[in-house]
Amino acid sequence: EAQVTQNPRYLITVTGKKLTVTCSQNMNHEYMSWYRQDPGLGLRQIYYSMNVEVTDKGDVPEGYKVSRKEKRNFPLILESPSPNQTSLYFCASSQGHYYEQYFGPGTRLTVT
Amino acid sequence: ELKVEQNPLFLSMQEGKNYTIYCNYSTTSDRLYWYRQDPGKSLESLFVLLSNGAVKQEGRLMASLDTKARLSTLHITAAVHDLSATYFCAVVRDSRGTSYGKLTFGQGTILTVHP
Repeated sequence: EAQVTQNPRYLITVTGKKLTVTCSQNMNHEYMSWYRQDPGLGLRQIYYSMNVEVTDKGDVPEGYKVSRKEKRNFPLILESPSPNQTSLYFCASSQGHYYEQYFGPGTRLTVT
Repeated sequence: ELKVEQNPLFLSMQEGKNYTIYCNYSTTSDRLYWYRQDPGKSLESLFVLLSNGAVKQEGRLMASLDTKARLSTLHITAAVHDLSATYFCAVVRDSRGTSYGKLTFGQGTILTVHP
């Protein structure tokens, strides 16, 4: 089944403790992207990747890192999480920017 | 900076009625997407509009794009309860430049369809 998977789905952590949210797709898609969704602020793009080893900033990249070493994986790294990074995070992938994006199920992160 | 504005933000409809959601954006782009999100769920792609004048239809939903007016519409025909959800438009920023992977979303329109 074609899908985008994210792990973990739920995470509660403390300020400053490094964490990684994994994202994997099995559709051989070139484009992958991370978004955060916050009440009142909607969906905002954090980082995106056009292909392996090609990444670029979205609208809200501060406090996040990404890497794209393999086509199928696009992990989101929070080196020193802070409470303002408490949010619902979505990973998405597509064949390219002319195609629809497939979204993962979301990761709800709480930083205390 | 690209701004994407949807209206209305809240829409309460009766079943069987027609309505339109509008998506305005502030800079040139020729690529626009519509998504649906059910409460507590992820996003589902509805339409990809790639050029001026593009029109796509799926069931009771029809989307169109006017790049000159920087406007997309999502038209709902004869609404049914199952269409209740939040609808987002999203615009690619700088589709001909180097930032063609950047995507900016509208605020979302919460649609509720009543019997």
